[in-house]
Amino acid sequence: DIQMTQSPSSLSASVGDRVTIACRASQTISIYLNWYQHKPGKAPELLIYSASSLQSGVPSRFSGSGSGTDFTLTITSLQPEDSATYYCQQAYSTPFTFGPGTKVDIK
Amino acid sequence: EVQLVESGGGLIQPGGSLRLSCAASGFSVSSNYMSWVRQAPGKGLEWVSSIYSGGNIYYADSVQGQFTISRDNSKNILYLQMNSLRAEDTAVYYCATSPSRRHIDYWGQGTLVTVSS
Repeated sequence: DIQMTQSPSSLSASVGDRVTIACRASQTISIYLNWYQHKPGKAPELLIYSASSLQSGVPSRFSGSGSGTDFTLTITSLQPEDSATYYCQQAYSTPFTFGPGTKVDIK
Repeated sequence: EVQLVESGGGLIQPGGSLRLSCAASGFSVSSNYMSWVRQAPGKGLEWVSSIYSGGNIYYADSVQGQFTISRDNSKNILYLQMNSLRAEDTAVYYCATSPSRRHIDYWGQGTLVTVSS
């Protein structure tokens, strides 16, 4: 099975800050990497698919990059509503494993 | 508009069985990729199972042989039959779907399953 790791596990940043979250796969997954945002008590939401494609309706301050084993989610100007846990997920092969998550707090 | 509404969760004793349902609207479960994803208390998201539009079925190692995913095309409902439940199966179970097998576009609100005596 492909293992996913994320760093950092949590971060605290101010409104307007640029935030970067890293995700690494234990083997190459091409570009089959998704990013989800999850807020407590709500359904997760797809932000980025295929490493860098922005899901319809998602603000342009979210972007993704990477291929192979190393990927990045960037929030260019952090907003209060971005407080959430962010998960990467590989969709290269089953089981479609998720990373452990990165909790983003607003200072 | 795509909607997914899960039901069937609740409190169940260890060793018991439960069947989750996911009523879909706005699309056909037979033509989309359907999945179950769970989140245990205080833990992250865990992919559980998927059924493809062509009928192929996949399971996480942790539920292989214990859970069964299925769909009723006439009722437009996705199911997850869960047997021999253990405390570690306690989680919110989300129904999810997408036209693509490579990502999940839509999620239900989840149903809580608690396995405890």
